[in-house]
Amino acid sequence: DGGITQSPKYLFRKEGQNVTLSCEQNLNHDAMYWYRQDPGQGLRLIYYSQIVNDFQKGDIAEGYSVSREKKESFPLTVTSAQKNPTAFYLCASSLTDSGNTGELFFGEGSRLTVL
Amino acid sequence: AQKITQTQPGMFVQEKEAVTLDCTYDTSDPSYGLFWYKQPSSGEMIFLIYQGSYDQQNATEGRYSLNFQKARKSANLVISASQLGDSAMYFCAMREPLYNFNKFYFGSGTKLNVKP
Repeated sequence: DGGITQSPKYLFRKEGQNVTLSCEQNLNHDAMYWYRQDPGQGLRLIYYSQIVNDFQKGDIAEGYSVSREKKESFPLTVTSAQKNPTAFYLCASSLTDSGNTGELFFGEGSRLTVL
Repeated sequence: AQKITQTQPGMFVQEKEAVTLDCTYDTSDPSYGLFWYKQPSSGEMIFLIYQGSYDQQNATEGRYSLNFQKARKSANLVISASQLGDSAMYFCAMREPLYNFNKFYFGSGTKLNVKP
């Protein structure tokens, strides 16, 4: 079955530690995204990538880093510089050609808690 | 200004009745797309329905329909014959072209509770 796999589902981190959230897709989508969701709020864009070896900052990139070495993979690192990292993180992908609706396909999310 | 506004933080509906979730959007681009997503308590985001800005007819997908009023910039989601499994958060989103990138904007969501 095609889809997006995020891991881990739950993650606990001590202050000062970096953590990496995994995102893998087998949908052959070019574009991949990372969003952050806080309670009672919508999704905010952290980083996005449209092709391999290229990625761009979103609206709240400070304290985060990404890589896109393979089309299928778009890992997100939450660094110690992120002041309030406790949140729900969603990875998504989409087709980029104009002949489709271009909806986002989401993973099941990773819930990060800083102790 | 907010790109997507959902003014109903929470809604209740009786099972088997219809419910309308409100969404207004703000854009000056003539080409955009509007989406509704459902987020159950498990956290995954499930795509429900899409409306393109040039589409003349309202989109429908099973029990979901999108009431698209372009002049009023509204894109309300109508769920007919509500079921208990419809209880979830619902997010309205807009896709807008930004240079060579499609940017998505999300509303703050509406929590729907379906009562038996």
